[in-house]
Amino acid sequence: DAGITQSPRHKVTETGTPVTLRCHQTENHRYMYWYRQDPGHGLRLIHYSYGVKDTDKGEVSDGYSVSRSKTEDFLLTLESATSSQTSVYFCAIKGTTNEKLFFGSGTQLSVL
Amino acid sequence: TQLLEQSPQFLSIQEGENLTVYCNSSSVFSSLQWYRQEPGEGPVLLVTVVTGGEVKKLKRLTFQFGDARKDSSLHITAAQPGDTGLYLCAGFNSGNTPLVFGKGTRLSVIA
Repeated sequence: DAGITQSPRHKVTETGTPVTLRCHQTENHRYMYWYRQDPGHGLRLIHYSYGVKDTDKGEVSDGYSVSRSKTEDFLLTLESATSSQTSVYFCAIKGTTNEKLFFGSGTQLSVL
Repeated sequence: TQLLEQSPQFLSIQEGENLTVYCNSSSVFSSLQWYRQEPGEGPVLLVTVVTGGEVKKLKRLTFQFGDARKDSSLHITAAQPGDTGLYLCAGFNSGNTPLVFGKGTRLSVIA
């Protein structure tokens, strides 16, 4: 199994509070991704990174920011959480452009 | 924007039946991947198809990439309860472009 860890696994927070989710990898993979998964919408890309300090937006990036200051960590921040951001968040990593994605086990986030 | 349409969205069958799920697009992809996701876990790769017309087999699962590399199918023979899960197809083009995912087919195999 690829060494990819998401934390926390579960989080309940209130509307308007900041939230940071962490993705940590031990594979030294170049590419890292944040997805959210919602019923009826499948997996939607939020942000991704193709190297340290190199990030780009996905299809649902509004309300989210990311940072990657070192290869192994990719942080997803909700600056001011809203109920619409209640979802399951998955981090994924990839070594080269045409390789498969390895996914973490997900973070269940509830915004009340 | 490239889109992948998966059908059916839901499928409930009896153990031992055969089934096919489809992944279609109007766009060409350089490769296509199939993932399976079980409850509470992230998706796990089953197969990657690269060449138009390619067929790959993984035990009772048969994957095919369309000749024009715009579509793919997954056929399961004699389905078992252990095949239950969410099946996702994902298309890849080139460079840093992220994978494009379909919305998935949720399969339930009843014993």
